Amino acid sequence: QVQLVQSGPEVKKPGASVKVSCTTSGYSFTTSGINWVRQAPGQGLEWMGWISPYTGNTNYAQKLQARVTLTTDTSTSTAFLELRSLRSDDTAVYYCARGELPDPFDFWGQGTLVTVSS
Amino acid sequence: SYVLTQPPSVPVAPGKTAIFTCGGDNIGRRGVHWYQQRPGQAPALVISHDSDRPSGIPERFSGSNSGNTATLTISRVEAGDEADYYCQVWNSGTDHYVFGTGSKLTVL
Repeated sequence: QVQLVQSGPEVKKPGASVKVSCTTSGYSFTTSGINWVRQAPGQGLEWMGWISPYTGNTNYAQKLQARVTLTTDTSTSTAFLELRSLRSDDTAVYYCARGELPDPFDFWGQGTLVTVSS
Repeated sequence: SYVLTQPPSVPVAPGKTAIFTCGGDNIGRRGVHWYQQRPGQAPALVISHDSDRPSGIPERFSGSNSGNTATLTISRVEAGDEADYYCQVWNSGTDHYVFGTGSKLTVL
């Protein structure tokens, strides 16, 4: 069965960077894109970006484009989200989700809580 | 930017029908997807492309989309349906996904 398993919670100071991983199994990694979505405490869902593991092509939300980098490692079927220059309002649960543009997200990771605090 | 508006709360008694709306400019021209997010869990796809049910989603869940409003309907509501529900579209103008503001289903 398709599974997306994310790395554990992180606590970072303002200005630092964080890298979250999403290890997939149960399907061919290069056949579908990976999206990243975040959810601040008590808030709604915010799409951050998409990456194709096959081509390496990316598509970033304009708001985050300057601070986010999506990458993949096809040898381990893992996708990565790096967010730089962290601020307190980056505190959120970060989800990876499988989906090819412009289709819906059919499988999601369990989420990774990133807390930004001094 | 493209905005999707949902009512914050949808209260319904058990066994009744819950109707969620998702408003957007000419949303009927776009494919709308719906996600269910139970407390403390990741979202899960319940309706894709306006009205398609993924495998494992009960027939009680249905969707439609026309004009400026997309709709998710849950028939014979159960306590286990309590969750937040989000609509989503692909905005081809910006090549970005957009999520609605979300609606909380409260089973009375």
